[in-house]
Amino acid sequence: AQKITQTQPGMFVQEKEAVTLDCTYDTSDQSYGLFWYKQPSSGEMIFLIYQGSYDEQNATEGRYSLNFQKARKSANLVISASQLGDSAMYFCAMRVDRGSTLGRLYFGRGTQLTVWP
Amino acid sequence: EPEVTQTPSHQVTQMGQEVILRCVPISNHLYFYWYRQILGQKVEFLVSFYNNEISEKSEIFDDQFSVERPDGSNFTLKIRSTKLEDSAMYFCASLLGNEQFFGPGTRLTVL
Repeated sequence: AQKITQTQPGMFVQEKEAVTLDCTYDTSDQSYGLFWYKQPSSGEMIFLIYQGSYDEQNATEGRYSLNFQKARKSANLVISASQLGDSAMYFCAMRVDRGSTLGRLYFGRGTQLTVWP
Repeated sequence: EPEVTQTPSHQVTQMGQEVILRCVPISNHLYFYWYRQILGQKVEFLVSFYNNEISEKSEIFDDQFSVERPDGSNFTLKIRSTKLEDSAMYFCASLLGNEQFFGPGTRLTVL
């Protein structure tokens, strides 16, 4: 069975500081992808970053980077230089891919990030 | 930039009524999904759709739910007889490669 665990219900960070949001996953499949989404209070789901299980380099997208540690089954999101607009719920998700079938996303429970001035 | 659109943004209905939630996925995407999020809870998978048929569905997606792609652009989720516990935000998503894009969601309120 596939499972995503986010152990931090809430995190606080001061503006301009970096913050790490934790995510661990469990799967017996070898081919999978890890995603992070941002959900502001308005409710939409905004795609941030993707890491494939076979990617050797950690993914980066602007101020977002994914610290992928395959042996530990962790995929932490690092946000550098936090901004007030980063305050939102953050979800880690996993997709298992089998052959040519692209599977559904399994979501964690989310971490509410608050950035204070 | 192309985006997934959903209508309506908010739907209020009486228990037992049928609702149809509409989505227009990104045009060259091949996989489509419905997810829901009950207020304050995590996002739950409902169903995936590929090549004009359901490819996977969750235990939530029972006989009260159905999906259609009636005209090659719209992707609809129908709930035949809504229950109070169907109140949630419903997200449509479409996929190409490694990016699964979500629509803005439809907030369904069942009274």
